[in-house]
Amino acid sequence: SQKIEQNSEALNIQEGKTATLTCNYTNYSPAYLQWYRQDPGRGPVFLLLIRENEKEKRKERLKVTFDTTLKQSLFHITASQPADSATYLCALSNAGNNRKLIWGLGTSLGVNP
Amino acid sequence: DAGITQSPRHKVTETGTPVTLRCHQTENHRYMYWYRQDPGHGLRLIHYSYGVKDTDKGEVSDGYSVSRSKTEDFLLTLESATSSQTSVYFCAISEGGGPAYEQYFGPGTRLTVT
Repeated sequence: SQKIEQNSEALNIQEGKTATLTCNYTNYSPAYLQWYRQDPGRGPVFLLLIRENEKEKRKERLKVTFDTTLKQSLFHITASQPADSATYLCALSNAGNNRKLIWGLGTSLGVNP
Repeated sequence: DAGITQSPRHKVTETGTPVTLRCHQTENHRYMYWYRQDPGHGLRLIHYSYGVKDTDKGEVSDGYSVSRSKTEDFLLTLESATSSQTSVYFCAISEGGGPAYEQYFGPGTRLTVT
């Protein structure tokens, strides 16, 4: 069956370090993968989109990689700050006829000062 | 949340009563979506719209209906609320359809069905 897996355990790191979050998928052939941030009590906020033919995408302190062989996307936040503490969601879509986004459960990141 | 509002933000209702949630956008985006978010589940698509009067079902559409009579408004109706519909409901919009376009989310509506 199709499955998206994000680290279920919270990730806690020290301010200034690089946070790396993982999104693994099985039985999908995603054409697009998106990352969102969600704060408690609020809606998700779009961060980055990467296509299947792109290996890496960057935006300021954020970097996303997409490895279709490993069936994995990594999301990096460099020089992390306490304000980066949130839950991070990955969402992907098949290349097939049903191209709606399918969402992971998210990983909670805590950045300690 | 800019450009997208949801009302009400919180609602408690009894089983069997009808409930309508409203999503309003000022961005003039063509696509609008209704999701629900529950512990242990990722965001799940209920219904979406690709234009005025054009709607389609998502993965968890049973028990829900939608209407879009104006570009800016997308209504979600629970005809007869059940306890399993207790959830946080998010509206989202996107400029284009499909996964190549990012989605912008509203602040959410927390619905409790007793």
